[in-house]
This record gives sequence, structure tokens and C-alpha cells, in this order.
Amino acid sequence: RKEVEQDPGPFNVPEGATVAFNCTYSNSASQSFFWYRQDCRKEPKLLMSVYSSGNEDGRFTAQLNRASQYISLLIRDSKLSDSATYLCVVNMANSGYALNFGKGTSLLVTP
Amino acid sequence: DVKVTQSSRYLVKRTGEKVFLECVQDMDHENMFWYRQDPGLGLRLIYFSYDVKMKEKGDIPEGYSVSREKKERFSLILESASTNQTSMYLCASSPGALGTQYFGPGTRLLVL
Repeated sequence: RKEVEQDPGPFNVPEGATVAFNCTYSNSASQSFFWYRQDCRKEPKLLMSVYSSGNEDGRFTAQLNRASQYISLLIRDSKLSDSATYLCVVNMANSGYALNFGKGTSLLVTP
Repeated sequence: DVKVTQSSRYLVKRTGEKVFLECVQDMDHENMFWYRQDPGLGLRLIYFSYDVKMKEKGDIPEGYSVSREKKERFSLILESASTNQTSMYLCASSPGALGTQYFGPGTRLLVL
């Protein structure tokens, strides 16, 4: 079983739509959770950390459910510029330093 | 702003060559990482380092070695390049345990 699993998509949505991505992780001892964004042929960049109580950053909302080992990302009012691959990231529980990256979910926002 | 730089954006090498990929970060981060990214396989950790002269194997260390002689610099070495090492190589750094990782722009390596 993969440490971090995501639906690869692609998700094709019109501008202004709301879209949600989900992610599951296998190690219940994991403590740090993130969403990264990766544009085509670019490096991954941190989108937001995910906190136990859930957190919001503008149009983006992240939720964590530790009991189900499930992380979500909600994007409201999608923009063309949101088109990218979204990576779910969880720390490796046997190492405080290293991260496990999901393979990513591809989003395409169309006019 | 955190800046992570990598020595080359594109590199073409021949099978059997020794290849050095350099990574430098300017934020005094303790931890540095090397990944490779391949279509359908995502990011895979090759090696990481949490201190000068310290290194830990990641998921796929075979065929690679690393060097961290200074805090700001982390080198990835392909002792004898092979075609299956053609990939995008990404370096990252982070300030502490469980910290956010910041990535360099990547090196696209082609081994012929």
C-alpha cells in the first residue's frame, strides 16, 4: 500500500467552479501534512500546511481527519491560474525530516 | 525569500560518466534533500541530510551517493550514470524536523 494516495485526475472544471481533492495516508503516526502545488515543468511549491482544526487561505480550505487518515483540499471560485498538479504531502513517521509525496492530482480550469 | 539553487537546469551525459549535481540554499536550513521525479511515479526521495557530514538513505539510494561538507551545499553524485537515471532531479531544504520543504528549480538529466 502506498504511503500517500491521491486520485490522479485529471479534474476538468469551468472557471468559478468549486473543486475538492482528497488524499489518504497510511501511517497513523504522521504529524505534518501539507498541500503543494506543481506547475508544468516547474518545482513543487508549498500551497498550505494542513492543521488538525482545518484551515483556510483565501479560496483554499484544507481539512484533516486523523481518525480516517484523510486530507482534503477545497478550491472555491476556480481561476484559470489554479490549473496545476496538487500534491498531498505527509511526513515520514519514522523520520522527522523526510516527507512522503503523493503522485498528485491534476487540475485543469477552463474558460 | 528562501532560495534554493541547482547548478544546472539541463544536463546531458553519457552512460558510465560520473555526474555531479550541486544544490545550494541561502537560508541556513539544517535539512537538505534530493529527489527524482518521473512520470507516473511522483517524487521519490534519494538521500537526505539533517546536518553537515550527515546523510540518510531515502527510498531509492542505489546508484547514488551524496556529500554535505558545508551546511548550505548538498551534492548528489551518480558514480556511473546509467540510462535509467534519466530523470528530473529536485533538491529541497527545510529549517527543521517536520518543516516545510523549499525546492530548487530542478535539473533535467538525460543519460545517453
